[in-house]
Amino acid sequence: DQQVKQNSPSLSVQEGRISILNCDYTNSMFDYFLWYKKYPAEGPTFLISISSIKDKNEDGRFTVFLNKSAKHLSLHIVPSQPGDSAVYFCAASESRNQFYFGTGTSLTVIP
Amino acid sequence: NAGVTQTPKFQVLKTGQSMTLQCAQDMNHNSMYWYRQDPGMGLRLIYYSASEGTTDKGEVPNGYNVSRLNKREFSLRLESAAPSQTSVYFCASTPPGSTNEKLFFGSGTQLSVL
Repeated sequence: DQQVKQNSPSLSVQEGRISILNCDYTNSMFDYFLWYKKYPAEGPTFLISISSIKDKNEDGRFTVFLNKSAKHLSLHIVPSQPGDSAVYFCAASESRNQFYFGTGTSLTVIP
Repeated sequence: NAGVTQTPKFQVLKTGQSMTLQCAQDMNHNSMYWYRQDPGMGLRLIYYSASEGTTDKGEVPNGYNVSRLNKREFSLRLESAAPSQTSVYFCASTPPGSTNEKLFFGSGTQLSVL
């Protein structure tokens, strides 16, 4: 049973606009969340994380928002660039022990 | 600095054959992991090793064995491959003292079992 869900398999956005990638989870004990980015034929690379004690974390063009009551997190990329085209995975863990990954969202940024 | 290196990059097996996927990291990381990625399933943890000499099961350990040969190397063995094990396999590691927040992944091994 998938504990972390990314319900949008793909997303297309114009260059310069905002990309919003969504992630839902079912386990209320999850207290740490991450986003990974993956290019074809490469391993995932860490992008940004957030602890459950926060509701927002920002790193440059990337911001992650956490809504604990809704068990929902989102990744905002502003402004989107063609190099951001990749598959994005969210992941969640309880006490940073074992991470559960979502199925990924393929982002295409159109020049 | 190579990071996490996986070999081979591609492999085709027949049902029932055995093979070992190799993983090595040169970053002095303590914890190492094996994940598999399947379409529509995300990445699922097969086994992990918190430190040299220890291994633990993840979400989907059945059909696999692992060996933490030393601090650098963590191998994944399929004793009798099955078509359900067709997948992309990723090895990952995390630094010492890490709260597990930054998994460093290898580039993956694409395995097909016919």
